[in-house]
Amino acid sequence: EVQLVESGGGLVQPGGSLRLSCAASGFNLRSHWMHWVRQAPGKGLVWVSRINSDGRSTSYADSVKGRFTISRDNAKNTLYLQMDSLRAEDTAVYYCTRDVGSTTTFDYWGQGTLVTVSS
Amino acid sequence: QSALTQPASVSGSPGQSITISCTGTSSDVGSYNLVSWYQQHPGKAPKLMIYEGSKRPSGVSNRFSGSKSGNTASLTISGLQAEDEADYYCCSYAGRSTFFGTGTKVTVL
Repeated sequence: EVQLVESGGGLVQPGGSLRLSCAASGFNLRSHWMHWVRQAPGKGLVWVSRINSDGRSTSYADSVKGRFTISRDNAKNTLYLQMDSLRAEDTAVYYCTRDVGSTTTFDYWGQGTLVTVSS
Repeated sequence: QSALTQPASVSGSPGQSITISCTGTSSDVGSYNLVSWYQQHPGKAPKLMIYEGSKRPSGVSNRFSGSKSGNTASLTISGLQAEDEADYYCCSYAGRSTFFGTGTKVTVL
């Protein structure tokens, strides 16, 4: 059974940092692009970032470019999102998602982890 | 570039059909046949309903169908049922970026 389990969310002050992790199981992580998608409370889904299968190619939404870094450790079956210089508008549930075939089709989602940026 | 445009809400009676539109641009929806649709119930993670414009994943009811014309994609739910009440989001590949729609709340009257 495919499972994605996020962790690392919590309360952080503006300007602070957090690192999210996504533990993958039930499939070969190295065969899939992976993404992070976020959802602010009561708002819609927003794509954040993606990483290709070997980790050499990444892309970011303009709103997080230069502040967030996506990475992966295929040997540990884990995806990461390093979030620096956090702002109040980064407050959201962050979902880890699996891309079916490098087509930005998300067939599996984690349960999400809540990041709250507040003083 | 910003989110794809969806109607905020659509409603229908049980058994009826409804259609949700998703309008993008020639740089996303219009350029690629890579539009997907997601259903999200309150407090739950989204679920893939349609991919590559009109394909249904295994296990998704054939009451759900997708199409595209120009810069606009559409999701149709036929034979509306109470369990279809949820938020729906479209999503399009756009080269080095990806855009979700603004979301549509479907209400079953």
